[in-house]
Amino acid sequence: GENVEQHPSTLSVQEGDSAVIKCTYSDSASNYFPWYKQELGKRPQLIIDIRSNVGEKKDQRIAVTLNKTAKHFSLHITETQPEDSAVYFCAAIISGGYNKLIFGAGTRLAVHP
Amino acid sequence: EAQVTQNPRYLITVTGKKLTVTCSQNMNHEYMSWYRQDPGLGLRQIYYSMNVEVTDKGDVPEGYKVSRKEKRNFPLILESPSPNQTSLYFCASSLSGQGSSPLHFGNGTRLTVT
Repeated sequence: GENVEQHPSTLSVQEGDSAVIKCTYSDSASNYFPWYKQELGKRPQLIIDIRSNVGEKKDQRIAVTLNKTAKHFSLHITETQPEDSAVYFCAAIISGGYNKLIFGAGTRLAVHP
Repeated sequence: EAQVTQNPRYLITVTGKKLTVTCSQNMNHEYMSWYRQDPGLGLRQIYYSMNVEVTDKGDVPEGYKVSRKEKRNFPLILESPSPNQTSLYFCASSLSGQGSSPLHFGNGTRLTVT
């Protein structure tokens, strides 16, 4: 079936460094790619999303890039801070009777002071 | 405050004892869904509802039931819980089921079945 693969599963960086999380998807008709952040013990929350008619989107220190040809998209966090430590989930729409969201397995990001 | 409310937050039960996890949203959202979160597996959809009285299976529906009698409520029912249903459960809602509407998650229910 359709799926979303996410790498790496864990990522450790020093404060101030950049972090990159990558996802690939299988449904070539996917046209919406959100990213959710889940802090420890809390609910996932949408932090940024991108649609297929755009190649890149930025919001302050976070950005998402999309390569539709290669069917992959990435989350970039610059100047990381300890409060960026969380689990990040990518997701992609799977087209069908209704537009279903499939999540990646998650990346645990640890930012060390 | 716009929110999705799940109850209870923590639940410990024994195999075979029926339980219900409640979910309510106050945003007049049409779409509601249940997910389970397990280490290394991400968020997997259990059931979803496009609107009142319209429900359908997600990726892992076995052992679960849902109902959508009112727009705001979407309870998850485990008729005969088993240890493999020990997990973290999230209810979520969005304005529509057309995918690109952002999902709003509840605070989660951590279920342990012994």
